[in-house]
Formats: sequence, C-alpha cells, structure tokens
Amino acid sequence: GAVVSQHPSWVICKSGTSVKIECRSLDFQATTMFWYRQFPKQSLMLMATSNEGSKATYEQGVEKDKFLINHASLTLSTLTVTSAHPEDSSFYICSAGVGRLNTEAFFGQGTRLTVV
Amino acid sequence: AQSVAQPEDQVNVAEGNPLTVKCTYSVSGNPYLFWYVQYPNRGLQFLLKYITGDNLVKGSYGFEAEFNKSQTSFHLKKPSALVSDSALYFCAVRGNTGFQKLVFGTGTRLLVSP
Repeated sequence: GAVVSQHPSWVICKSGTSVKIECRSLDFQATTMFWYRQFPKQSLMLMATSNEGSKATYEQGVEKDKFLINHASLTLSTLTVTSAHPEDSSFYICSAGVGRLNTEAFFGQGTRLTVV
Repeated sequence: AQSVAQPEDQVNVAEGNPLTVKCTYSVSGNPYLFWYVQYPNRGLQFLLKYITGDNLVKGSYGFEAEFNKSQTSFHLKKPSALVSDSALYFCAVRGNTGFQKLVFGTGTRLLVSP
C-alpha cells in the first residue's frame, strides 16, 4: 500500500513555542491530506482537511489560527501548532486520501506532542 | 450525518479462539467501510475495506469482515486469534458519493491472552 511518513514521531516543547509536524506521501501524490488529533483512549478527531494549493478546511471548534495547515505540494502537508500550551499535548496523526473519491486513506505513524 | 458505533470498549479472547469485534454504522446511501488497527504510539494501519461486491471481505493478517446491509453492521472477525493481534481496532465509514471524510468509531481494544 501507499506510504505516508510523518515527522517527528515525538516532540517536547516549551509552552509558548511553535511546533511543526510534517506529513509526506512517499510513493504517491496526495491531493488531499487529513489531520487528526487523538486523546488518550479516545478515537480520532478530524481537525482539518488539507487540499494542495488551497486553504485547509477546518472542522467546527478547531482554531485555524492555532493549528496552521499548509499543503504546498502534492507530497507534503504541514501542521504547525502555534503558541503551544500544555492542553495541546496530544497525539497528532495525518492521513492521505488515495483515489479520486478518497476511497482509501493511509496514515502516518503519528506525532506525540508534549508541551511543558 | 454518518456515524459509527463500536459497542465494546474491550474484547478479551484466548489465543487460538475465534474473535469478533463489532461495528455498526449509519450513513446516507451506500457505505464505504474500513477497519484499521493501531498499536501503541503508532498511526493507523489499514486492515480491510468494503466498497462494493462480495459481502465478505478478506484483509491483512488473516482478518475478515462481513458487510450486512440489513443490520448495518461490519463486524471484524478472525478464525484464530494471536497474542500479537492485541491492539486497538477502529471501524470507519464514509458515504459513497462525491468527496467525503472518514468517520471513526471510538475503538475497541482487543486483548488476546496466551
């Protein structure tokens, strides 16, 4: 199957700083990428849908100014957590849609963010 | 709006026994259904999907799932569980028209004992 690489796999940052997470599709072009957040022992919560060359579509309740998403190329999308606070600590996962109608999604390995 | 229910937080089974992880869904029109597995601190790995065709879908690692339209279910099964199958399993659904996002269930933790 298609490979999605997410980097870094874990990061610790100080409160008030910004952190960038990268999501790359290694062997295919992903016109659409998705960013999820997962709290401990909970399901994945879709944060935003990222389309190459256009602005991301954020889900209700997700602060677009705090979670900046950029999808500048067909193989790379980035999520920047700006002015991070301890409550932003979570597991962030990206996925890339495959197929014209996004009939299948492949996931990155996730990023564990800890804000101290 | 589409939704997925995984009624069991945890399923316990002895190694070698068959396992079932339940999933029911709600979606307008015909569904696309998926099962994913997640190991600790890892992303999701694709197991199998139902798009159309045969109701019994076979996937990775010996897993299979049966699409039942009348019961709106897509239960995950495996004839003989392995200890290494212990993980968190997610069912997901999306509609089959146009571009739609995946909606995930809350996950079921499978624990296979030796």
